[in-house]
Amino acid sequence: QKEVEQNSGPLSVPEGAIASLNCTYSDRVSQSFFWYRQYSGKSPELIMSIYSNGDKEDGRFTAQLNKASQYVSLLIRDSQPSDSATYLCAVPLTGANNLFFGTGTRLTVIP
Amino acid sequence: DGGITQSPKYLFRKEGQNVTLSCEQNLNHDAMYWYRQDPGQGLRLIYYSQIVNDFQKGDIAEGYSVSREKKESFPLTVTSAQKNPTAFYLCASSDLSGGRATNEKLFFGSGTQLSVL
Repeated sequence: QKEVEQNSGPLSVPEGAIASLNCTYSDRVSQSFFWYRQYSGKSPELIMSIYSNGDKEDGRFTAQLNKASQYVSLLIRDSQPSDSATYLCAVPLTGANNLFFGTGTRLTVIP
Repeated sequence: DGGITQSPKYLFRKEGQNVTLSCEQNLNHDAMYWYRQDPGQGLRLIYYSQIVNDFQKGDIAEGYSVSREKKESFPLTVTSAQKNPTAFYLCASSDLSGGRATNEKLFFGSGTQLSVL
């Protein structure tokens, strides 16, 4: 099992809809979870971090964490064409001095 | 402006040649990292450094070398031993002084696309 797994997509949603991106991780004791957005040909940028079970909201973005199920998701409400990008889930695994990244989910928002 | 500067943006390597990718940061971050990204894949760690004059191998260090002579600089050399170097290379840094709130948050440079001639 890979340390961090994401559905590679592509995921297409119409403008104004909710986009739901999912991530599972293998390390049961991981404490921190991150979502990065990467536009084509550009570097990743951090958009959300979450440390506790439940929901964390920041504008149109909501991160949801369920440690018992080893699952973290990112919801984008009122999706805009500018949200079209690859979304990377990242988790620092126990004993490792770095973040493990998923392969990313490519999101396309259709105008 | 504070940030991470990578150069060059595009780099071409000939057979048997070593090439060096530059990474400079003025964020006063302690830790610096090099990642490799292949199409359709996530980021894989090559090397990282948490303090000057010290660095550690990541998951795919073979065929690469680094140095950390200054806090601001963490150059990556892709040696001729790396047989498949074509990829997008990303340098990142993080602040270790604030505990978990900061040390796990990476700031990335704009990347270098390396191709083989």
